[in-house]
Formats: sequence, C-alpha cells, structure tokens
Amino acid sequence: DTEVTQTPKHLVMGMTNKKSLKCEQHMGHRAMYWYKQKAKKPPELMFVYSYEKLSINESVPSRFSPECPNSSLLNLHLHALQPEDSALYLCASSQAGPKIGGYNSPLHFGNGTRLTVT
Amino acid sequence: GQNIDQPTEMTATEGAIVQINCTYQTSGFNGLFWYQQHAGEAPTFLSYNVLDGLEEKGRFSSFLSRSKGYSYLLLKELQMKDSASYLCAVITDKLIFGTGTRLQVFP
Repeated sequence: DTEVTQTPKHLVMGMTNKKSLKCEQHMGHRAMYWYKQKAKKPPELMFVYSYEKLSINESVPSRFSPECPNSSLLNLHLHALQPEDSALYLCASSQAGPKIGGYNSPLHFGNGTRLTVT
Repeated sequence: GQNIDQPTEMTATEGAIVQINCTYQTSGFNGLFWYQQHAGEAPTFLSYNVLDGLEEKGRFSSFLSRSKGYSYLLLKELQMKDSASYLCAVITDKLIFGTGTRLQVFP
C-alpha cells in the first residue's frame, strides 16, 4: 500500500464542472508534487510545492489550480477542463525538494486519480 | 531542451538477465532515479545514482556514467512479476522522467 493517499480513485466530469483532486501524506515530507500521465507515457510534472509554497509551475493552463492547505495536504482544483485533459493524475511527496538540497530524496507516489473529461 | 531516452519495449524470459538503458542530455544533473510502474499503479522507487559506478540492491542493480550521460538498470533472475514499465528519471532542479521501457517477461 502506498503511503500517499489520493482521492477519488476515478472521476468523470463534464467540461463545465468544477471538481477537486485530493492528496494526503503523513510521512513528514516537505515537498509535494502533481504529475499528469497519459496512457503509455511517462509522468509529466505539473506543479511542485516546497514547504507549502508553490516553487514550480510547468506552464500549466489556469484551468488547473493547485492548493497546499498544510504540509500534509495537496489539492488540485479543476474547472472548465477539455477532453484532452483526461489522464491519470499522480500526487507524490519527498522529504525535501530539489531546490532545497533534497536531490537524493526519492518521490513517493500515490496510486493516482483516473480522470475522464466528457 | 531535456532529452531522456529509453527503449520503448523489451522482452525477456523468466530467470534471465535484462539490461534497460537510459541516455540523457539535460541542463544540469543532480542524480538519477529508476522507478518501476505496473499497469494502473503508482511508480515505485527502485534505485538512485549520483556518482559514477554500480549500485546493487538485491536482484536489481543500476549503473551511471555521468561523462557519457548514460545509465542502465540490470534485472537478474527475472520473475513474471517484473513485467512492468521501468522509468529513468533525472534530477535537474526538478525530476524529469524518461520515455519509459515496457518490459514483458515470458515463462
């Protein structure tokens, strides 16, 4: 079982809906990440939070809005998505992020939320 | 740009040894990870290399040559459960995944 918990496991939403993906870890990690993974492709980085501050935004469209309420929680708010946004959304955490010297800190991934936009 | 290349697919037989290669050209290098991902599951950490040489962990070993921009993952005594995707990932100021290799192990 993964120590990073993501909910929901599956989500189907229309293009006019607003929904949120949630991620939780209790390992005391100070860096948290959102990745997007399309079928048979590697994960692509979307956002990185270090010490609850957004440190990397990979030019993600504004219809994706991350939020880090505290050191254990990470949300991804979704609004007005497109069908091409359908993918597996993976949350991960690590003891420290690369920008604060945590280069050898492996990422621990959640099992992901499989999102379908209709 | 950032390029991290791996063979797309590989096949091997149970009990055999397989080597999965990864070549990279990135702006900066602070280490390299290997992850395993079974279909429909999260990637799981296998190994980390930051200095040149071989790191051994049970049936899995990983090698790094920084001057050549090259790494490989060596899987020994293959088992059916090793059928999965294997992802090489380079740390620059963030973690960037390679294209991934789907390994199928046959009886």
